[in-house]
Amino acid sequence: GAVVSQHPSRVICKSGTSVKIECRSLDFQATTMFWYRQFPKQSLMLMATSNEGSKATYEQGVEKDKFLINHASLTLSTLTVTSAHPEDSSFYICSASGGSRVAFFGQGTRLTVV
Amino acid sequence: GQQLNQSPQSMFIQEGEDVSMNCTSSSIFNTWLWYKQDPGEGPVLLIALYKAGELTSNGRLTAQFGITRKDSFLNISASIPSDVGIYFCAGSSGGNEKLTFGTGTRLTIIP
Repeated sequence: GAVVSQHPSRVICKSGTSVKIECRSLDFQATTMFWYRQFPKQSLMLMATSNEGSKATYEQGVEKDKFLINHASLTLSTLTVTSAHPEDSSFYICSASGGSRVAFFGQGTRLTVV
Repeated sequence: GQQLNQSPQSMFIQEGEDVSMNCTSSSIFNTWLWYKQDPGEGPVLLIALYKAGELTSNGRLTAQFGITRKDSFLNISASIPSDVGIYFCAGSSGGNEKLTFGTGTRLTIIP
């Protein structure tokens, strides 16, 4: 399958700071990337959908000013958690699709806000 | 957001047993996907289904796209220790449409 790389895999930050997570498609062009959040023992919840070169579409209840998404190229999307608070601690996962009706996932990023 | 109904929620089986899990939806999907997630990792694609009625195998795994397009099942035959993990179904309307995930089935192999 296609390779999607997510970085960093783990990050600890202080409350009030911002954290950027990168998602790269290594061997295909990702016209669409998705960002998910996953709480312990729960399923993946979609946060937003981003298409290359356009603004992201956020799911209901997701603050777009807090979770900034940029999809500037066909191989890179970033999620920035701004002014992070402990309740933002979670497992964030990206996925990428190149129009093949199948999405491939990154390894996930464990964010801990202290 | 919307989630698919996936059952069972958890399974405790012995090595060598067969496993079956399924997903149902109130909406029609054009694509059904099955993923496996290990702790601390992202989901890994197991099987993709694109047509109603389609039956697809990947080694010991077999999955079917329900004829109504509102359900899918995954079977694992002769389970082995590395099958332990959480299995998720996901439905899509096709293309670059977003995925709707099932609630997950946690598979545990008891010695």
